[in-house]
Amino acid sequence: DVKVTQSSRYLVKRTGEKVFLECVQDMDHENMFWYRQDPGLGLRLIYFSYDVKMKEKGDIPEGYSVSREKKERFSLILESASTNQTSMYLCASSLRSLAREHTEAFFGQGTRLTVV
Amino acid sequence: KQEVTQIPAALSVPEGENLVLNCSFTDSAIYNLQWFRQDPGKGLTSLLLIQSSQREQTSGRLNASLDKSSGRSTLYIAASQPGDSATYLCAVRVSGSARQLTFGSGTQLTVLP
Repeated sequence: DVKVTQSSRYLVKRTGEKVFLECVQDMDHENMFWYRQDPGLGLRLIYFSYDVKMKEKGDIPEGYSVSREKKERFSLILESASTNQTSMYLCASSLRSLAREHTEAFFGQGTRLTVV
Repeated sequence: KQEVTQIPAALSVPEGENLVLNCSFTDSAIYNLQWFRQDPGKGLTSLLLIQSSQREQTSGRLNASLDKSSGRSTLYIAASQPGDSATYLCAVRVSGSARQLTFGSGTQLTVLP
């Protein structure tokens, strides 16, 4: 059974703190993604990675960074948390297949982050 | 730029009804389309994946269709149950894009007992 696991379901952090959100997948997928989801704005891509130590900016990278030191783990870092980063954060992974029609994305259970 | 639209934003039906959720996209150059289910406060669960060369996929009471040329997909749910209540999202995998998925905003389904 495929699995994407996010380290926390709920987090409460203070403004200015450095925050780490961790995501681990056990499917040997090359691609990993971080999204945030907000009411009325849908899912927005923050960063993605297609290989170890590789990263690409998504649509809203400001205020975030990422780290991919091992294939199975993709970390999202909020360098200095702000209240406008209160959101649901979702991690996903997919296989980098030459048969791209078959590529399916799998998501973690989400992390609800509140910055106070 | 690819845009994905889901209408209606919310739908309420009595238990036992068959229903259709709609998804439309503006650019037909896609690899595939994926339907997800999201329960409140939780992550996304993949329901069905339709490859661009396919017309439909079925899983249990769910049937998804794809008409790439017209930029439309539907998710048909047969004999709805209260446990089907959730938000349903569609997402397209855009050809030539490393960013992979473009999501619709979802349809919130409520099945009344």
